Order: sequence, then C-alpha cells, then structure tokens
Amino acid sequence: AQSVTQLGSHVSVSEGALVLLRCNYSSSVPPYLFWYVQYPNQGLQLLLKYTTGATLVKGINGFEAEFKKSETSFHLTKPSAHMSDAAEYFCAVSEGTNAGKSTFGDGTTLTVKP
Amino acid sequence: NAGVTQTPKFRVLKTGQSMTLLCAQDMNHEYMYWYRQDPGMGLRLIHYSVGEGTTAKGEVPDGYNVSRLKKQNFLLGLESAAPSQTSVYFCASRRGSSGGPNEQFFGPGTRLTVL
Repeated sequence: AQSVTQLGSHVSVSEGALVLLRCNYSSSVPPYLFWYVQYPNQGLQLLLKYTTGATLVKGINGFEAEFKKSETSFHLTKPSAHMSDAAEYFCAVSEGTNAGKSTFGDGTTLTVKP
Repeated sequence: NAGVTQTPKFRVLKTGQSMTLLCAQDMNHEYMYWYRQDPGMGLRLIHYSVGEGTTAKGEVPDGYNVSRLKKQNFLLGLESAAPSQTSVYFCASRRGSSGGPNEQFFGPGTRLTVL
C-alpha cells in the first residue's frame, strides 16, 4: 500500500524567501513521486516528478525536489518565493502498476506575503 | 489540443436528483480517473478506467456510477444526489503503463452543490 503525508496544511513565506514544502511517503516498491500545483478554481498541473536516476529533480517555475530514500521524503523547495507561487501544492506517490493510480497528500496551501 | 475538459463547470442539485458529469480527453490516453476534492482531504479516487469498456472502483465509489463507452470519454453519474456529495469533481487521464511512470493530466473541475 502507498500513502503520502504532507506536513503543514498551510505555509506562509515572504516574497523572496525560501519555500520548503514537506512530503513523506510510504510505498512497498520503489515509488514514482510527483508534485502538482493547483491555482484557485483550476485543476492540478504537474510541477515535477521523480522516476529513477538523479535524486534532485528540477521542475517548472524554479521549483525542485530531492528524493531521499533513507528518509522516505520528497520535499519541494524554491530558493526565492514569488507572489505568483501562491497556490495549493499536492504531493503524490504512484507505484507504477495498479492502473497507474496515484495517492495524493492532503495538500499544502502556500501564502506569499509582500 | 484541448487536453482534458469537463462539463458542466457548475451545478446545483436538489437531494434525490440525478445528473451526469462528462469528461473528455483528446490525448489518446488509456487511463482515466474521477476524483472528488473536499477541503483538507486532498483528492480521493471515486472510479477509474484502464481502457474503453472497462471501469473499476476507487476509494470512495458509493453513490456513483461510471461508464467509458468511448476511449476519449469518461462519464460520472449520480443516481440520487445527497448533500454529502457536495464537492469539486476532477477528471484526469494518463498514458497507459507502456509509457512508464506517467503523470496525470487534470480537467478544470466541476463544482457541485447538493441542497
């Protein structure tokens, strides 16, 4: 079985500050990991994904995430927050089989203060 | 490409009424999914399909039915709506397993209120 825990349902940062959104997963097989972003009144869109290989994954809009197997973590970071980063972020895990189903975390709402 | 589209965008129902939500994708994806999103609960899988003519139950299937008569369409039905089904519904699609660890592509959502 797979599961995802996102630590912190709300994160608030100042514009220009570091963004850190935490995600821990559980999976019985090597996982595929995803971060999605949801802007108000829109669907989810992919930020980045980890499959195999390099553990530091770069995504769109300056975001990146590092896969740490020993810590079962896949935290999302961005060096300098922008007002346009305000959104809800979802971490998801997929085991690749089982109809490609993903399990999503409960989401973290990021607020960026001017 | 339009990607994944959903119809309607908004709907208000009275308890006991029925309705069908339509999802369409133009990416020739094999897999399709229906989720509901409730505050603080992330996305929960209702039903999914791995190909035309096939459907399967997800995490929260009770009160919903689905059909996938054509590869590009995935319909979600509520036979007798209940207030507990007030939610935002998202459809998603992805390439089949032969394409590797593929991400899901989401529609814009349908906001449903059941009074």
